[in-house]
Amino acid sequence: NAGVTQTPKFQVLKTGQSMTLQCAQDMNHEYMSWYRQDPGMGLRLIHYSVGAGITDQGEVPNGYNVSRSTTEDFPLRLLSAAPSQTSVYFCASSYSRAGGGYTFGSGTRLTVV
Amino acid sequence: DAKTTQPNSMESNEEEPVHLPCNHSTISGTDYIHWYRQLPSQGPEYVIHGLTSNVNNRMASLAIAEDRKSSTLILHRATLRDAAVYYCILRGQGGSEKLVFGKGTKLTVNP
Repeated sequence: NAGVTQTPKFQVLKTGQSMTLQCAQDMNHEYMSWYRQDPGMGLRLIHYSVGAGITDQGEVPNGYNVSRSTTEDFPLRLLSAAPSQTSVYFCASSYSRAGGGYTFGSGTRLTVV
Repeated sequence: DAKTTQPNSMESNEEEPVHLPCNHSTISGTDYIHWYRQLPSQGPEYVIHGLTSNVNNRMASLAIAEDRKSSTLILHRATLRDAAVYYCILRGQGGSEKLVFGKGTKLTVNP
């Protein structure tokens, strides 16, 4: 049981480049979310999904796109990377019931130069 | 989203109990109280959750006030490995099940 797997673990991008952060879970969780965490700060919700084909915006969605074509995968796309998107990105998943806890991935550390 | 209020930081000594408070005066009747922690350089980790009754698991205990407007995470014997930022979060039902983090409480454990 791998839990929540994020790839890559580290990435350096040039300003203006695009890329996709991958997130996969093998627990058949309906809910998946993406967060970013800037140095010394708390986590901020970017986008979330309550099931395949359904996504919604979180607190800081600008500059990011998501899609959820399968239950297992929830990729996060950076359309045109900016230095302000330098951060650590965490993916998380959960069962749909509110009493269930979220499982987090180990994160992707992204630097935009 | 319903808000929670936690102290910015707390200190404890190793092997002593730690009580981490959280206020959530605007909690709705269907909101679950969740606690997560984040160790340095790691992703958040689920600790415990509850609705109305006190809850225990292998990591911690959760004491919920009768009016549900506050709760306390209890670490029975703090270890150095418990040094982390602890987040108290309300997770609702019926469309508001997303998890929104606040600033949390940074717990320092002294040897």
